Amino acid sequence: KAGVTQTPRYLIKTRGQQVTLSCSPISGHRSVSWYQQTPGQGLQFLFEYFSETQRNKGNFPGRFSGRQFSNSRSEMNVSTLELGDSALYLCASSIGTGTHNEQFFGPGTRLTVL
Amino acid sequence: DAKTTQPNSMESNEEEPVHLPCNHSTISGTDYIHWYRQLPSQGPEYVIHGLTSNVNNRMASLAIAEDRKSSTLILHRATLRDAAVYYCILCPYNQGGKLIFGQGTELSVKP
Repeated sequence: KAGVTQTPRYLIKTRGQQVTLSCSPISGHRSVSWYQQTPGQGLQFLFEYFSETQRNKGNFPGRFSGRQFSNSRSEMNVSTLELGDSALYLCASSIGTGTHNEQFFGPGTRLTVL
Repeated sequence: DAKTTQPNSMESNEEEPVHLPCNHSTISGTDYIHWYRQLPSQGPEYVIHGLTSNVNNRMASLAIAEDRKSSTLILHRATLRDAAVYYCILCPYNQGGKLIFGQGTELSVKP
């Protein structure tokens, strides 16, 4: 089975631009979660989607948004980029939303904002 | 969200057991204890999880205190590949998709 894939792997943007990151979950997985990882704040939960619905949202400004498609693929969008948005963005998928479900993480998208 | 406390770093020798502690004194009755680890330049990977009873799998064992206010991840024979940051996470029931990571414990393994 193929793992979680994220595209692109690396991205460079300038302040004020917007960016869209993509995540393809493991086949059969219906839950997708997004995380931001920075040296200063560590790993922070962004949001979780299940069956095209946002189930949970972390403490991030409205510039961060996401969606999930009927095939469970997910995208996250960041508008009006700031320097502080430079980070590794990780996506994780699991079969469902239950606590017993292991989350499988992708390799991440490294976003640099200049 | 309930918090966990872990040592910032630990050292181990290769092929020796490693006990990674985690304190979670504010755990609620429906919180599961999950452990993930992140190897250098990779996304986190699942290690083990439990509720009340001790758990074993091919990677590790999880020992949970009777009052559930602490737990210990046990790697039975550390290898160089086990060098990683280990995260102890409390996961409320039915919130499996929302992992709140702390700072974790950076484990280094000496040959």
